[in-house]
Amino acid sequence: AQRVTQPEKLLSVFKGAPVELKCNYSYSGSPELFWYVQYSRQRLQLLLRHISRESIKGFTADLNKGETSFHLKKPFAQEEDSAMYYCALSGRGGDDKIIFGKGTRLHILP
Amino acid sequence: KAGVTQTPRYLIKTRGQQVTLSCSPISGHRSVSWYQQTPGQGLQFLFEYFSETQRNKGNFPGRFSGRQFSNSRSEMNVSTLELGDSALYLCASSHDRGERKQYFGPGTRLTVT
Repeated sequence: AQRVTQPEKLLSVFKGAPVELKCNYSYSGSPELFWYVQYSRQRLQLLLRHISRESIKGFTADLNKGETSFHLKKPFAQEEDSAMYYCALSGRGGDDKIIFGKGTRLHILP
Repeated sequence: KAGVTQTPRYLIKTRGQQVTLSCSPISGHRSVSWYQQTPGQGLQFLFEYFSETQRNKGNFPGRFSGRQFSNSRSEMNVSTLELGDSALYLCASSHDRGERKQYFGPGTRLTVT
């Protein structure tokens, strides 16, 4: 069954410290993985997707097929990174729906 | 371009009633997906519409239905409301079917009493 697991509901990190938001998935095939972010009072928005291999706002995520993980990382946390982060998965075909994890709230401490 | 809009933003209904929510996608976007967001279950996929046809459906009962019009606007309907249907309903649009870069609306907060 398709599943996305974000083991931490809340992650508190000091400003300037490294951030790692964990995401593990279960999928029989080659999935496409995403990270979405929702800042306070803003809409849910796409942060990055693994096929783009890009860095957005200093965040990166590497797909580890062996460990079935797609952890989100940033070397130095900033206060504006405080938000709700969702990991999501989709199959490669156009017919596959997007499955979201339950989210991790990242709280950056001053 | 204007973003995805959803109406109404807030709604209070009574158990047993039905409700219709509306979503207007970004101009030029032809695919619309609906999600239910609750504190306990997070974001759950309801259905996706493209070219006025339902292309994909999540694991929700038949009380949840939707449709898409020729101008890509979409509506979702929930009949015989239950307390557990209280949630934030999010709509997302994308340019094409299978396009995974989705743009989300602000949501409709439905409260069932």
